[in-house]
Amino acid sequence: NAGVTQTPKFRVLKTGQSMTLLCAQDMNHEYMYWYRQDPGMGLRLIHYSVGEGTTAKGEVPDGYNVSRLKKQNFLLGLESAAPSQTSVYFCASSPPPPQGTYGYTFGSGTRLTVV
Amino acid sequence: AQSVSQHNHHVILSEAASLELGCNYSYGGTVNLFWYVQYPGQHLQLLLKYFSGDPLVKGIKGFEAEFIKSKFSFNLRKPSVQWSDTAEYFCAVMLFSGGYNKLIFGAGTRLAVHP
Repeated sequence: NAGVTQTPKFRVLKTGQSMTLLCAQDMNHEYMYWYRQDPGMGLRLIHYSVGEGTTAKGEVPDGYNVSRLKKQNFLLGLESAAPSQTSVYFCASSPPPPQGTYGYTFGSGTRLTVV
Repeated sequence: AQSVSQHNHHVILSEAASLELGCNYSYGGTVNLFWYVQYPGQHLQLLLKYFSGDPLVKGIKGFEAEFIKSKFSFNLRKPSVQWSDTAEYFCAVMLFSGGYNKLIFGAGTRLAVHP
């Protein structure tokens, strides 16, 4: 009963370094999402995907890239990390509408610190 | 632009006190409404949700919420809080646009319950 699995759980990067966050889901969901959570700002959508091979920008896409090469995986990349990207990153997945309107399944988060 | 407002950023209560957390949204169309809870160090968990029907919905752990369409509100309540309710609470609204459902979060309310 894994659901949505995020790796790594914690990471510290230096400014300018790159990294990839991996999200994997085993529920055969079509839709996947990447959010970032910052104090006092709730969760904001970075990018999302409505199916394998498709991605789209959310509210705060700058500085991030994503890929959905396989249905079960959604990767979030930081090409050149900046301190402003220090945050907790959550991945989520859902079926398409109408089932997907009943809510998302969230991963446990990745805490990223950029120094 | 669509938005979700949570009026209280921090709430401090004593055990057995009653709780009400406010949530208002700005969107005139059909919405599904959610409250998520995030316990310290954990990921988001669904507390309750409203899609249609009885505007008073009951969730887990004794929480309930009331949807008041005329006020665009979905306030969360609990008659008697416990120390274990210490967590951050997020109101979220599911919007439907272009065949895609989009979950928008409020900024969150951090609740501290003292024994």
